[in-house]
Amino acid sequence: GAVVSQHPSWVICKSGTSVKIECRSLDFQATTMFWYRQFPKQSLMLMATSNEGSKATYEQGVEKDKFLINHASLTLSTLTVTSAHPEDSSFYICSARDWDSNEQYFGPGTRLTVT
Amino acid sequence: AQSVTQLGSHVSVSEGALVLLRCNYSSSVPPYLFWYVQYPNQGLQLLLKYTSAATLVKGINGFEAEFKKSETSFHLTKPSAHMSDAAEYFCAVSPFEAAGNKLTFGGGTRVLVKP
Repeated sequence: GAVVSQHPSWVICKSGTSVKIECRSLDFQATTMFWYRQFPKQSLMLMATSNEGSKATYEQGVEKDKFLINHASLTLSTLTVTSAHPEDSSFYICSARDWDSNEQYFGPGTRLTVT
Repeated sequence: AQSVTQLGSHVSVSEGALVLLRCNYSSSVPPYLFWYVQYPNQGLQLLLKYTSAATLVKGINGFEAEFKKSETSFHLTKPSAHMSDAAEYFCAVSPFEAAGNKLTFGGGTRVLVKP
């Protein structure tokens, strides 16, 4: 089946530093990838939609300069949390849309803790 | 615009008992509905989806859901709960058939299975 990986699975960083999270589709091409944020015991909130080779589309209220998204290839998208603060601590989940089936597959998530 | 409401943030069932998770939706266009399961610290796995082909949808792990347009509902059921069903369940809606498009998630329902 289609597999999406995320790296790292968890990361702790100091306030003010930047963190990059990678999302890869392992056995399919993904023209579109989605980035979600999930606070403890809450639902997933879509942050942005990333299309290969073009700028990401951010949801209302999401700071594009703080959450930098790059989708440079059909199998890789990255989310960089810039100048992280404790309130950015969350579980970040990516998903990828299979070019052939148009189905969406989710990664295992990355837990970010900012101290 | 579309939205999803999941009634009950927590559900506790005994092993072997019926599992019933409620989902109501609001949509200005014919909806496509999905149920996902999330195990701790993992991404989401698709259980089943409604795409208008049949109102009763069977999914993986013995789950099924019934689309009721008159009640704007898409409740998830499983006749007999297993300990491995303990997880968080999310209902989602999309204006498009394939799950590869933008999804709007409900708040989630955490299922606890008692031995």
